[in-house]
Amino acid sequence: GESVGLHLPTLSVQEGDNSIINCAYSNSASDYFIWYKQESGKGPQFIIDIRSNMDKRQGQRVTVLLNKTVKHLSLQIAATQPGDSAVYFCAEGGSNSGYALNFGKGTSLLVTP
Amino acid sequence: GAGVSQSPSNKVTEKGKDVELRCDPISGHTALYWYRQRLGQGLEFLIYFQGNSAPDKSGLPSDRFSAERTGESVSTLTIQRTQQEDSAVYLCASSLRRLNTEAFFGQGTRLTVV
Repeated sequence: GESVGLHLPTLSVQEGDNSIINCAYSNSASDYFIWYKQESGKGPQFIIDIRSNMDKRQGQRVTVLLNKTVKHLSLQIAATQPGDSAVYFCAEGGSNSGYALNFGKGTSLLVTP
Repeated sequence: GAGVSQSPSNKVTEKGKDVELRCDPISGHTALYWYRQRLGQGLEFLIYFQGNSAPDKSGLPSDRFSAERTGESVSTLTIQRTQQEDSAVYLCASSLRRLNTEAFFGQGTRLTVV
C-alpha cells in the first residue's frame, strides 16, 4: 500500500530555536493526519492532528501545516526545549486505510543547550 | 483504566516458544490497534479491531501471528513458534469509534527472542 515517509531521519537544534520536522505522504485519499512524539522506552504520545479540510492548526508551541497539493505535512515547534528531544512520527489515516493509522519512519530531534 | 495498559512490559522467550501479549484498552474505546516497532524503526501496523466488525488483519506478517479481542475489551496478540526476527516492541493503541480520531498508545511489550 501507499506509505508515509519523512524527509530527515535526524534533526539537531539549539535550545530556544524553532524546529521544523517534515513529512511526505503519497496517499492523496488520506484525510486525517497526526503527529506523535515518542520518548525513549515509552509509547507514542499525541501532539496534534489536522484534517484534510484544513491547512494549518496550532497548539501550545506547536503548529502543523498541511499542503495537500504537494502532499506534505510539517510540524513546527517554537522555542525548542530539551524536553522536546524525542522521535517524532507523522501518521495518516482515513477510510481508504480501513481507519487504521499508517506511520512514517520517524525523525529524531535532538535539542542541544 | 486511565490509559492503555499492556502486559507484560518485558518478555524474554526461547526461539520456537509461543508467547501471548495482552492489551487493556481505554474504557469505552471501541477501536484497538496492534503495531510492531523494531529497534530504531517506525511503527508497523499489524491488526485493527473495530467493535464487532471483522478485524483488519492485513498487517500480520505471517500465520504465526494472530490476535483476538473479546467484545470491546481486552485483546491478546499471540505469536507462535517465535523467531529471532520477532524481537521488537509490540504496541497497542485504542481510540473512540469515530473515524479519524486520536489513538492512545500503551507503553508496549518488549519481546526478546533468544
